[in-house]
Amino acid sequence: GIQVEQSPPDLILQEGANSTLRCNFSDSVNNLQWFHQNPWGQLINLFYIPSGTKQNGRLSATTVATERYSLLYISSSQTTDSGVYFCAVRSPGGGADGLTFGKGTHLIIQP
Amino acid sequence: GAVVSQHPSWVICKSGTSVKIECRSLDFQATTMFWYRQFPKQSLMLMATSNEGSKATYEQGVEKDKFLINHASLTLSTLTVTSAHPEDSSFYICSTRFAGETQYFGPGTRLLVL
Repeated sequence: GIQVEQSPPDLILQEGANSTLRCNFSDSVNNLQWFHQNPWGQLINLFYIPSGTKQNGRLSATTVATERYSLLYISSSQTTDSGVYFCAVRSPGGGADGLTFGKGTHLIIQP
Repeated sequence: GAVVSQHPSWVICKSGTSVKIECRSLDFQATTMFWYRQFPKQSLMLMATSNEGSKATYEQGVEKDKFLINHASLTLSTLTVTSAHPEDSSFYICSTRFAGETQYFGPGTRLLVL
């Protein structure tokens, strides 16, 4: 099946800093989503972005499908941005209808 | 986006008992729902795909006789963990697919088997 690798695994930043999270995947995808998992476990949809660039406030994401990677940018970080960020994909030839998740990036924003 | 609920949020049970978890799509009819499992400090793993009116499709390594899935209506899918054991303790999360490919997740159910 498709492989998803996220980096870095852990990231500690000061409030106000910018960050870039990376997601590499091993096959073509027809779905790529970024999620933020809050401390209670809820997965919050950030972006549906199998290709192209999107922005939502301080967050933006870019997926270069031909090179099989996606980037999530967080600008002017706030303590509430802390949590685990997951990239998840679905490959059209992968068989499974659901999403394959990366291991996540654990982000800690210090005041 | 879609709104998905799960019940219960928490469940503690004794080893050997069965536990049923409900997943509801609150604002649209979902022909397909998904069940995932997340162990502490780990990522989410797809367990099965639940299709309304037909049998669920289980991922490799997931015992279909242990994790019974029923999708009897377009707004409700249930996961029953039969004869639960401590190693089944985990965070179970369902999702629905809305407007094409985008998946929306429920708040999850934490299961602790003593």
